[in-house]
Amino acid sequence: DAGVTQSPTHLIKTRGQQVTLRCSPKSGHDTVSWYQQALGQGPQFIFQYYEEEERQRGNFPDRFSGHQYPNYSSELNVNALLLGDSALYLCASSLDGRGSYGYTFGSGTRLTVV
Amino acid sequence: AQSVTQLDSQVPVFEEAPVELRCNYSSSVSVYLFWYVQYPNQGLQLLLKYLSGSTLVKGINGFEAEFNKSQTSFHLRKPSVHISDTAEYFCAVSVMNRDDKIIFGKGTRLHILP
Repeated sequence: DAGVTQSPTHLIKTRGQQVTLRCSPKSGHDTVSWYQQALGQGPQFIFQYYEEEERQRGNFPDRFSGHQYPNYSSELNVNALLLGDSALYLCASSLDGRGSYGYTFGSGTRLTVV
Repeated sequence: AQSVTQLDSQVPVFEEAPVELRCNYSSSVSVYLFWYVQYPNQGLQLLLKYLSGSTLVKGINGFEAEFNKSQTSFHLRKPSVHISDTAEYFCAVSVMNRDDKIIFGKGTRLHILP
């Protein structure tokens, strides 16, 4: 049973560019949450998608946007990249977004902005 | 709003010795509590969770945690650590009975000494 799959695993971009990260949830899960984890920090909640809609959003600027497809897979887009956007981006899937079920995390995409 | 405080950023402990990683939370409503582990260059893996009932929760890899409502704490313990326990440990919280996001602490790095 495949878990959460994220692609690519590593990415290097230049300031001002745009990037798209992709996530396939665990089989049977319908909700995808995205987190940003800066070096030495805990994961920070970016947003959550359920039924192809953004259901919740953390304290991130509009440069961060996302999408969820009918097969529950999701994308995270970041425009006008800043050096401070360098981080590990984690995707987590769950059933109906309920915390009680726990989240299943992917291994992340390491984004480096130069 | 909910928040999590992990009191120690790093905990060194000798192999086969016991360990306790401390976690305090803040919330005006009832919450679910979690501990996740992150091994180097990997995503997060759920160790254990408290939803309701018995305040002592047992998880994977010999870890357990105790929920203390009066102290608003959820400390993680293991009676005898192994070198393979070297990792970052994150305490997390989400609001009970709602499709709410999981909020993470900043993490505690467990360093096992030979």
